[in-house]
Amino acid sequence: NAGVTQTPKFQVLKTGQSMTLQCAQDMNHNSMYWYRQDPGMGLRLIYYSASEGTTDKGEVPDGYNVSRLKKQNFLLGLESAAPSQTSVYFCASSPDRLAGELFFGEGSRLTVL
Amino acid sequence: GQQVMQIPQYQHVQEGEDFTTYCNSSTTLSNIQWYKQRPGGHPVFLIQLVKSGEVKKQKRLTFQFGEAKKNSSLHITATQTTDVGTYFCAGSSYGQNFVFGPGTRLSVLP
Repeated sequence: NAGVTQTPKFQVLKTGQSMTLQCAQDMNHNSMYWYRQDPGMGLRLIYYSASEGTTDKGEVPDGYNVSRLKKQNFLLGLESAAPSQTSVYFCASSPDRLAGELFFGEGSRLTVL
Repeated sequence: GQQVMQIPQYQHVQEGEDFTTYCNSSTTLSNIQWYKQRPGGHPVFLIQLVKSGEVKKQKRLTFQFGEAKKNSSLHITATQTTDVGTYFCAGSSYGQNFVFGPGTRLSVLP
């Protein structure tokens, strides 16, 4: 019963460093998402993937890149981390992009110094 | 773009009191979802509303979708300490991704 698994759970970066957040789901869902959560701002969509091999920008895509080479995996990359990217990142998946329940991972807390 | 607002931002109640959070969208929604996030946890789906004027109940929780499909509410009757957390609404306008509100943080004093 893994559901959505994110790694790593915690990460500290220096400004300018790069890293990749990994997300895996075992529910055979078509759609996957990356959100960031900042105090008082709810969850903001960074990128999403409606189906394997496709990706699209969300509300706040600048400074990020994604890839969905396999249906079960959705990767979020930071090429050159900035302090403004300090946040909690949540990966989610759903059977259907427009109507399905979102299943969230446990989150990844990223600090950029 | 679509905006989703929630009020209040914070609510402190005594255990046993009722609690209501309101969600308002700048655009007409095709459906709305509600999520609960416990402190330090991740959002967990509670319910989805689709029809205008729809009311759904889950034990002590009552969810409503407005007639104009631009607002929604979550009401908790007789709160318990297990209700502590942040409640988010997320609305989807036709063909668009879900947009989350900023959430209402509920604390329950025993």
